Amino acid sequence: RKEVEQDPGPFNVPEGATVAFNCTYSNSASQSFFWYRQDCRKEPKLLMSVYSSGNEDGRFTAQLNRASQYISLLIRDSKLSDSATYLCVVRGPFSGSARQLTFGSGTQLTVLP
Amino acid sequence: SAVISQKPSRDICQRGTSLTIQCQVDSQVTMMFWYRQQPGQSLTLIATANQGSEATYESGFVIDKFPISRPNLTFSTLTVSNLSPEDSSIYLCSVLGLPSSAGNTIYFGEGSWLTVV
Repeated sequence: RKEVEQDPGPFNVPEGATVAFNCTYSNSASQSFFWYRQDCRKEPKLLMSVYSSGNEDGRFTAQLNRASQYISLLIRDSKLSDSATYLCVVRGPFSGSARQLTFGSGTQLTVLP
Repeated sequence: SAVISQKPSRDICQRGTSLTIQCQVDSQVTMMFWYRQQPGQSLTLIATANQGSEATYESGFVIDKFPISRPNLTFSTLTVSNLSPEDSSIYLCSVLGLPSSAGNTIYFGEGSWLTVV
């Protein structure tokens, strides 16, 4: 079983739709969780951190479910510019090093006009 | 977040040759990291570049193939040696962000796209 698993998609949705991605992780000691966005042939960029109580940033909402070991990303009112690959990133119990970071393979989203 | 500059942004190289990628950060950082992302795959950590000592390599990566330099706290290079088509990837330089309640995030340079022919 992969340490971090994501549905690779692709998700093809019309503009204005709501779309949700899930990501499961295997290490119950994981401490921090993030969503990154990666545009085609570009570097990944931090979209948002995922807090235990859940958090929202505009049209984006991230949730964490520790009991079931998954995080989710909800995008409301999808825009064409949301088309990208969304990477789930999980950090182990020790901070201060990239060695504790595990990246999912990403979920590809295409928003259609 | 730190500004991370990488070059070259892309290159096409002949098999058997080597490519050196440079990474410049606009502030001093203790650790810099090198990642590889093969086509359609996720990111894999190659090594941690340590200033003043040898790099720390992850399983499956060796110094002879991926020599790394770290002459100061703002600069690092990654060389990919004896290139083969399997080395065609994007190579990413990265640094950790400042600690926050959500934990340390990671920031990436723009990446260096390597195609080996």
